[in-house]
Amino acid sequence: TQLLEQSPQFLSIQEGENLTVYCNSSSVFSSLQWYRQEPGEGPVLLVTVVTGGEVKKLKRLTFQFGDARKDSSLHITAAQPGDTGLYLCAGRENAGNNRKLIWGLGTSLAVNP
Amino acid sequence: KAGVTQTPRYLIKTRGQQVTLSCSPISGHRSVSWYQQTPGQGLQFLFEYFSETQRNKGNFPGRFSGRQFSNSRSEMNVSTLELGDSALYLCASSSLPTSGGAVYNEQFFGPGTRLTVL
Repeated sequence: TQLLEQSPQFLSIQEGENLTVYCNSSSVFSSLQWYRQEPGEGPVLLVTVVTGGEVKKLKRLTFQFGDARKDSSLHITAAQPGDTGLYLCAGRENAGNNRKLIWGLGTSLAVNP
Repeated sequence: KAGVTQTPRYLIKTRGQQVTLSCSPISGHRSVSWYQQTPGQGLQFLFEYFSETQRNKGNFPGRFSGRQFSNSRSEMNVSTLELGDSALYLCASSSLPTSGGAVYNEQFFGPGTRLTVL
């Protein structure tokens, strides 16, 4: 069974600080997605990374897929209170006929004004 | 266009009862997936339906079942509820299947149904 570990589990920072959250596995994924989930809502897709070493930027958010496609990171520059939420990564199984998404438990981020 | 809607949003049941949750996908989407989300286990895949056929299934007991109608609306049913079934149940829709050959298909999640079992 493929597992995705996210760290840290909780993070509380002040507005304007930078942060990085991690998503790690011992297994290879064909692609990896990052989602943000706000209280009372479902997850919303932020980005999909497919190629090993790929870097994608979404305004102040930078996503990187590891060279071996086993891990990923999300870096937020100058965090704002609106960035508060649960950040989830989900990896697509690399083999088999029914390649499901495997989800991490998430990093709960609180950005204090 | 309207997003994914789930009803009811909140539900309280007692052990041994059964429950039916409903999901209406985005118009034109034929894939509906169901997930259970708990703080300790995160999101766990229940099943996916595409064009009224169950395409994939997670590792949940037979008490958990689902179906999809010709208009793509989906329901999931949990029978003989247990305390451990308390969770947020999320539904996600997509235009194409999200498991199988496609590398990535974007899923759009509904707000979920919060089920509490007493």
